[in-house]
Amino acid sequence: QVRLQESGPRLMKPSETLSLSCIVSGGSVSSGSYYWTWFRQPPGKALEVIGNMYQTGTTRYNPSLRSRVTISRDTSKNQFYLQVTSVTTADTAVYYCARARDGNDYHRVEYWGQGALVTVSA
Amino acid sequence: DIQMTQSPSVVSASVGDRVTITCRPSHDIANWLAWFQQKPGTAPKLLIYATSSLQGGVPPRFSGSGSGTEFTLTISSLQAEDFATYYCQQTNSFPWTFGQGTKVEVK
Repeated sequence: QVRLQESGPRLMKPSETLSLSCIVSGGSVSSGSYYWTWFRQPPGKALEVIGNMYQTGTTRYNPSLRSRVTISRDTSKNQFYLQVTSVTTADTAVYYCARARDGNDYHRVEYWGQGALVTVSA
Repeated sequence: DIQMTQSPSVVSASVGDRVTITCRPSHDIANWLAWFQQKPGTAPKLLIYATSSLQGGVPPRFSGSGSGTEFTLTISSLQAEDFATYYCQQTNSFPWTFGQGTKVEVK
C-alpha cells in the first residue's frame, strides 16, 4: 500500500520560501511509471496542479507558478519536495502530494497525502 | 490551459435519488477525464478514470460517460456516505485542470 505524508512549516510570512516534503512509503520515487505530483487547494476553492516529477527526474510545472516553483527529490530518503519562493497570501492553501500513473494509464491520481494547510500571513 | 466547467455547482438530493453531474472541457480531451469525491478535511478520492473506468473499491452505483467536450458522472442511488463535493479533472494536457466542484447536499 502506497502512503504519502506531507511535512513542513504551516505558518509563513509574505516573501518567505515555502518548503514542503513528501515522505513516501510502499513505493519508490525513482522507479515505476509514476509522476510524483504536488497539488494545492485554497480554502473553499478548487484543486490546482503545481507540478510533478517523473521517475526519470524530469519535471513539469504549471505555467502559472513556474517562475516560483521547484520540485526535487532525495532518492536515498524516498522523499520529494516542493519549494515556492516569494509567497503571498494568495499561496494560502492545503498542499497535497500525490502519485499519478503515466500516460499509459491516463495519468490517474490514485494516491494522495492527507494534505498540509499552509497559511501565509503578515 | 483547458478550462473545466462543471454543473450544477450544488445538487440538493435525498438518499435513493439518481444524481447526475456534468463536466464540459473547453477543448476536446478525448476520454482523459477523471472524477474525484472529496469530503471536508480530507484528500480527494479517485472514483473514475478514463471517463468510465471504475477505480478499485468504488461502488458500482458510480458511473461515468461521455467523450470529447461533454462528460457526466452519475450516482444511480445516492447513499448517505455520498454527500460530498465532486470534481472532474482532465489529464489530456498539462497543466492538468479541475472543475470548480459540485456539492451534493441533503435536500
